[in-house]
Amino acid sequence: ELKVEQNPLFLSMQEGKNYTIYCNYSTTSDRLYWYRQDPGKSLESLFVLLSNGAVKQEGRLMASLDTKARLSTLHITAAVHDLSATYFCAVDEDNTDKLIFGTGTRLQVFP
Amino acid sequence: SQTIHQWPATLVQPVGSPLSLECTVEGTSNPNLYWYRQAAGRGLQLLFYSVGIGQISSEVPQNLSASRPQDRQFILSSKKLLLSDSGFYLCAWSPRYTIYFGEGSWLTVV
Repeated sequence: ELKVEQNPLFLSMQEGKNYTIYCNYSTTSDRLYWYRQDPGKSLESLFVLLSNGAVKQEGRLMASLDTKARLSTLHITAAVHDLSATYFCAVDEDNTDKLIFGTGTRLQVFP
Repeated sequence: SQTIHQWPATLVQPVGSPLSLECTVEGTSNPNLYWYRQAAGRGLQLLFYSVGIGQISSEVPQNLSASRPQDRQFILSSKKLLLSDSGFYLCAWSPRYTIYFGEGSWLTVV
């Protein structure tokens, strides 16, 4: 059974600081997704990583994938309040487009 | 462009009552369709997965069911709701290599 773990679960960080969210998964997969969820809202797609070594960046967020280590990271650069949300990683089980989600990381950015 | 619609947005239902949540996708054909559930403060759990009309895979044993009567329509149902069915239900579709979510339906079973 595929398991996806994120850490930390909660992250409170000051504006302007950098931090990284980690996503580990238990079986081989070369497709990993990052989503953002605002309170009470649906999920917004941030990144789709489809191969080992894939790196994607959008604004202050950068995601990477190491399929050999079964690890993805979401790096936050110079955080701003608007980034406050819950971030989920999800792994495609057996490349079937069925996503198994991590527990989520609740990020709070304060002045 | 493709869009996904999901309704109702919120509902409060008594225990033992039936449930029907509907989802439609526009602007594409033969999409993969999904139902996920998110319990309060938790991650997402895949409930059902469909690759075509009448083709439903159930991922978790429960008192819910799903149907796909048309290519772009996906319905989540229950004959008798339980308190544990409360949560945020999300329909999603996949054009391949990514999955897009609908706005979600908040279900409270009382």
